[in-house]
Order: sequence, then C-alpha cells, then structure tokens
Amino acid sequence: QVQLVQSGAEVKKPGASVKVSCKASGYTFTSYDINWVRQATGQGLEWMGWMNPNSGNTGYAQKFQGRVTMTRNTSISTAYMELSSLRSEDTAVYYCARGIVGAPNWFDPWGQGTLVTVSS
Amino acid sequence: QSALTQPASVSGSPGQSITISCTGTSSDVGSYNLVSWYQQHPGKAPKLMIYEGSKRPSGVSNRFSGSKSGNTASLTISGLQAEDEADYYCCSYAGSSTFKVVFGGGTKLTVL
Repeated sequence: QVQLVQSGAEVKKPGASVKVSCKASGYTFTSYDINWVRQATGQGLEWMGWMNPNSGNTGYAQKFQGRVTMTRNTSISTAYMELSSLRSEDTAVYYCARGIVGAPNWFDPWGQGTLVTVSS
Repeated sequence: QSALTQPASVSGSPGQSITISCTGTSSDVGSYNLVSWYQQHPGKAPKLMIYEGSKRPSGVSNRFSGSKSGNTASLTISGLQAEDEADYYCCSYAGSSTFKVVFGGGTKLTVL
C-alpha cells in the first residue's frame, strides 16, 4: 500500500536547524510531488511547500522562503525538509504528504507526522 | 487567521446530515475547482475525504459529499455516525505564482 514514513521526534534549540525525512513506498516516488504541512499544537494546518522528486524543483510558501529547503534522494525514495533559524513558534508536528504534479491541491496519503520541539 | 473561513464547530445527532462551509475569495475557492477536504482524528494524520471539489477517493464512504458555489465550498456528511466525530479542514489551490495552497482553520464536528 502507498505509505509515507517519517523520521522521529526532534528537540532543537532556538537558532538551530532541523531536517525531517519522509520515506515513500508502494508507488513510483518520482511520479508525484511531496508536500510539507505543519500543525502547531491545537492549531490548524499550514502548507509549507512542495518538491518534485523527479526534477528536484521546489515551491515554498512565502512565509517560509529563505528558511526552508526541500530535497530528495531518489535512490532511497526519501524526501527531506530542512527548516533553519528555528524559533519557539516553529514547535509543531510536521507532515509530509503526496500530491499531484503541477497544481498542488490534494494530499494523500500523509506521513504519520514528526514532532519538532524548539526550546532553550 | 486562516486564509479560508470555516465555522469553529458543528454538531449533529446520529443519522442526521450536517454541512460544513468553507469561505474563500475569488483568488482561491472562487477561481479553481480545486478544493479538498480532510478528516483528522485526535493524534492522527489528516485523511483525504474529498478532492477537486466533489470527488471521493477510493474507500471513502459515499456519505461524504462536496460542492461549491461562488467563493464558498461545502462538505456534507449524511447519516452521521459516531466515528465521524473529528476535525475537518478545507484546502484550496490559490494560484501558480508560488503554487500557493491555503487551508481553512478547521471545524470540530461533534456527534451528539
């Protein structure tokens, strides 16, 4: 079955960076985009951007431009999201989700989520 | 403040129907038939329930349906069941300048 499995929880200090991985299985990794969405505790969903595993092309939400980098390793069907200059407001669960190539508008399935805690 | 506006909560009794609205603008919901809906149970990842406005993924019950009128999309759940109690989020494509995607703030559905 189509599945996305993410790396484990992280605790980081303010100003540090975090890199979350997302391993895909059950489908051709390069045929769909990978999107990243985050959710602060008790809050709604916030789209961060997309990455095309075939080309490596990316598109980031304006809010995260300059701080986020999305990459991939096609040999192991894994996508990565790195967020830098972390602050307390970045504490959230980060999800990867498969989406169609082109106009991102639906996401299925989602990874299980990775909790990133930013605390001094 | 979320880009799309949803009611904070709705409720209904088992067997009843409820509708959750999702209001955007002419730059997102109104311009594209690319609204999706997600169900999220506590502590779980979101699950796609409706895509491209009214299409159901394989495996999603036909009790879930989607529609759109102008700048407002709607999710209707008929024959409410206890397991439908969850948070529901709408999502819309919002243009190709940065491949922008916007979510609603979420609606808590309580099955009485």
